[in-house]
Amino acid sequence: QVQLQESGPGLVKPSETLSLTCSVSGGSMTYYYWSWIRQPPGKGLEWMGYIYHSGSTNYSPSLKSRVTISVDTSKNQFSLKLNSVTAADTAVYYCARVFFRGAIVGADSWGRGTLVTVSS
Amino acid sequence: EIMMTQSPATLSVSPGERATLSCRASQSVSSNLAWYQQKPGQAPTLLIYGTYTRSTGIPARFSGGGSGTEFTLTISSLQSEDFAVYYCQQYNNWPLTFGGGTKVEIK
Repeated sequence: QVQLQESGPGLVKPSETLSLTCSVSGGSMTYYYWSWIRQPPGKGLEWMGYIYHSGSTNYSPSLKSRVTISVDTSKNQFSLKLNSVTAADTAVYYCARVFFRGAIVGADSWGRGTLVTVSS
Repeated sequence: EIMMTQSPATLSVSPGERATLSCRASQSVSSNLAWYQQKPGQAPTLLIYGTYTRSTGIPARFSGGGSGTEFTLTISSLQSEDFAVYYCQQYNNWPLTFGGGTKVEIK
């Protein structure tokens, strides 16, 4: 069974870049889509974007100017970069495997999530 | 972007009772609707997709219904492990969007 684990700094200063990595174990990254989803404390969930194993990406329009998702299948990892962060980017960040049934459906395997706080 | 609205925000139910949660889309999403369960401190779990189809291992007491813009999640007989927050999510259009959630609490 595939397992995902987020890693990265838990504190980022305003205007700087948030960088997280997701390590995938127990399965191949090939032929899957991989995503980042975030959840501000006490609030709902937001899809940030996803990447195919080949490297093609799709980002949420609201974040497109600030977000980059990349993949390194040789390391079984994919990564998130979000630049010019503000306090509004404080959230639990989840990496997840996309569930695909002829189309992107949702996420069926998730990491435990990592809280990133934006503060000086 | 399609807006998803869930009601009620909180549902108080006694164990063994039936719970019905609602989800409304700002425009038609056909049957491209999924439900997730999230327990405190945990990641969400995909319960249902395609409006009706339960994910692997999800008990039959969970059932989904609806189409277009109006959807429901029904839990036929609440068990202790079912008290959690439930989110609907549409996947008809990118970006995929979630509702604000319904918290099912013990009455």
